[in-house]
Amino acid sequence: NAGVTQTPKFQVLKTGQSMTLQCAQDMNHNSMYWYRQDPGMGLRLIYYSASEGTTDKGEVPNGYNVSRLNKREFSLRLESAAPSQTSVYFCASSEGAGGNSPLHFGNGTRLTVT
Amino acid sequence: GQQVMQIPQYQHVQEGEDFTTYCNSSTTLSNIQWYKQRPGGHPVFLIQLVKSGEVKKQKRLTFQFGEAKKNSSLHITATQTTDVGTYFCAGGRGGSARQLTFGSGTQLTVLP
Repeated sequence: NAGVTQTPKFQVLKTGQSMTLQCAQDMNHNSMYWYRQDPGMGLRLIYYSASEGTTDKGEVPNGYNVSRLNKREFSLRLESAAPSQTSVYFCASSEGAGGNSPLHFGNGTRLTVT
Repeated sequence: GQQVMQIPQYQHVQEGEDFTTYCNSSTTLSNIQWYKQRPGGHPVFLIQLVKSGEVKKQKRLTFQFGEAKKNSSLHITATQTTDVGTYFCAGGRGGSARQLTFGSGTQLTVLP
């Protein structure tokens, strides 16, 4: 099993460019998440999808959009990248709703916006 | 909103010494999870505690959940170089992912 797979691993964007981060899981999990990790700030939830067909905002949703394409895939889109979005992005999945269900993380996408 | 404070932010220990990281929540938690992230890697789930006063052990790691369910600790006995990484706690307040708040992590360095 691959677990949670994220692409790309690295990306450099110019301010104003757009891009989509892809995430797929093969564990038949119901819930999927996007987190960003910044130095000294832990992991902050951007958006999550408790089940196929639903998405909800997390702690820091501004500047992002998501799509739960099917049960396996959950993508994160930056419509107009800003330097403040320079971060490491992690996709995660869980069998249950997430607040009390272990998270399985992908390897991350390191994004730099210049 | 809910805050989960984690201390210390950094810890350097000599190999063989013990290590402890602490998490404190401003509100009562329903559960607490612990994760380990190796340098350059992704967080990996270690354990979840749900009961007041619960203590769980994994080899040299001991996890505790406070009686009031507002604090937790992770203690590593006789650290090894393989313990290097950042340890995160994540406090939950129910079944919603929005209710899971991560601490800022403790970065552990083990000197050989």
